[in-house]
Amino acid sequence: DSGVTQTPKHLITATGQRVTLRCSPRSGDLSVYWYQQSLDQGLQFLIQYYNGEERAKGNILERFSAQQFPDLHSELNLSSLELGDSALYFCASSVGRGGRETQYFGPGTRLLVL
Amino acid sequence: LAKTTQPISMDSYEGQEVNITCSHNNIATNDYITWYQQFPSQGPRFIIQGYKTKVTNEVASLFIPADRKSSTLSLPRVSLSDTAVYYCLVGSNSGNTPLVFGKGTRLSVIA
Repeated sequence: DSGVTQTPKHLITATGQRVTLRCSPRSGDLSVYWYQQSLDQGLQFLIQYYNGEERAKGNILERFSAQQFPDLHSELNLSSLELGDSALYFCASSVGRGGRETQYFGPGTRLLVL
Repeated sequence: LAKTTQPISMDSYEGQEVNITCSHNNIATNDYITWYQQFPSQGPRFIIQGYKTKVTNEVASLFIPADRKSSTLSLPRVSLSDTAVYYCLVGSNSGNTPLVFGKGTRLSVIA
């Protein structure tokens, strides 16, 4: 158990819909990262927040948005969903914000868009 | 951002030592090398991190030559439970550059 929690574990929705994925980092961690992993694909970095501020942005679509709240939990909002958005979405957290930081991953949210 | 290159897949028999090499030719002075392990449908898990020479922990060893343009993750006496994807990453605590996981190396351990 990494200490990172993600809800929900599974999500089934239809094209065009909007969903929100939630992540609670490990106690004491200030950074939250979001990743997308499609079938047989590597991890695609989406976005990083550090202490409430956006720190780094990866290949995040304009239909996707995220935020980190004052209690440090984070939400990833996916809108106008398409079939290709079906994937595992992982959240990770770390103490600091740099590229050396050990990232602790949550169990993921499996999203299926029908 | 230092890009890494790893073999797509490797096979090994149980009990053998497995060495996975990662190339990072444009590694920067401040960059560290980190390896993660990912089992199917689970998030990656940190294995080991190093800057130069050799680092060893209870799970693996990491060998980094003097020029730091490559690194080798060594898994001693693998078992079936070591079947996973292994990612090599390079990064430092300076700048805003995020880590790039890539597709990793899929290790299959055979009985």
